[in-house]
Amino acid sequence: GQNIDQPTEMTATEGAIVQINCTYQTSGFNGLFWYQQHAGEAPTFLSYNVLDGLEEKGRFSSFLSRSKGYSYLLLKELQMKDSASYLCAVRDGNYQLIWGAGTKLIIKP
Amino acid sequence: IAGITQAPTSQILAAGRRMTLRCTQDMRHNAMYWYRQDLGLGLRLIHYSNTAGTTGKGEVPDGYSVSRANTDDFPLTLASAVPSQTSVYFCASSDGGSGRTFFGQGTRLTVV
Repeated sequence: GQNIDQPTEMTATEGAIVQINCTYQTSGFNGLFWYQQHAGEAPTFLSYNVLDGLEEKGRFSSFLSRSKGYSYLLLKELQMKDSASYLCAVRDGNYQLIWGAGTKLIIKP
Repeated sequence: IAGITQAPTSQILAAGRRMTLRCTQDMRHNAMYWYRQDLGLGLRLIHYSNTAGTTGKGEVPDGYSVSRANTDDFPLTLASAVPSQTSVYFCASSDGGSGRTFFGQGTRLTVV
């Protein structure tokens, strides 16, 4: 079956750096997405990786290794507003999105 | 403002009643989706539509039906609501080129 694993919850300190990991096993691969979801709100797009390597966008970066079935989202200079859930999603060989359960990130002052 | 609009934003529904959740998008995306999100389970696909006139079943389709008469609208119907359908429902659409998925604001449904 298809599966995406990410930690349920992480805690970090304001101003620090945090890395949220995502491992996946899917039938085919056509890209990996990261979304941010604040409590009570809809998910919003953060990043997209389809080739191996690091994609940087401001304070957020996302890395992909297709051979390892692995990605991470790196958040730098953490701010209180970064407290949210971070969802990893993989587009499989049929171009269907498979979603992880999400990682709840708690930022402490 | 371009995007996806869902209605209602929240609803308390008696078990056994029929309910339609409405979803409209103005981005002219071909693909649309209905997800439910429950604590600890993440987003689960209920039904999808790759283009107007076609629909397909997702991971958890039982008890739900959809229609796609045109590009913009994708309503979700619960024929006879049960308490296990208490959830937050998200309608979404995706840009065929980038694959990015855009979500509506969600409908919080409680079946009692």
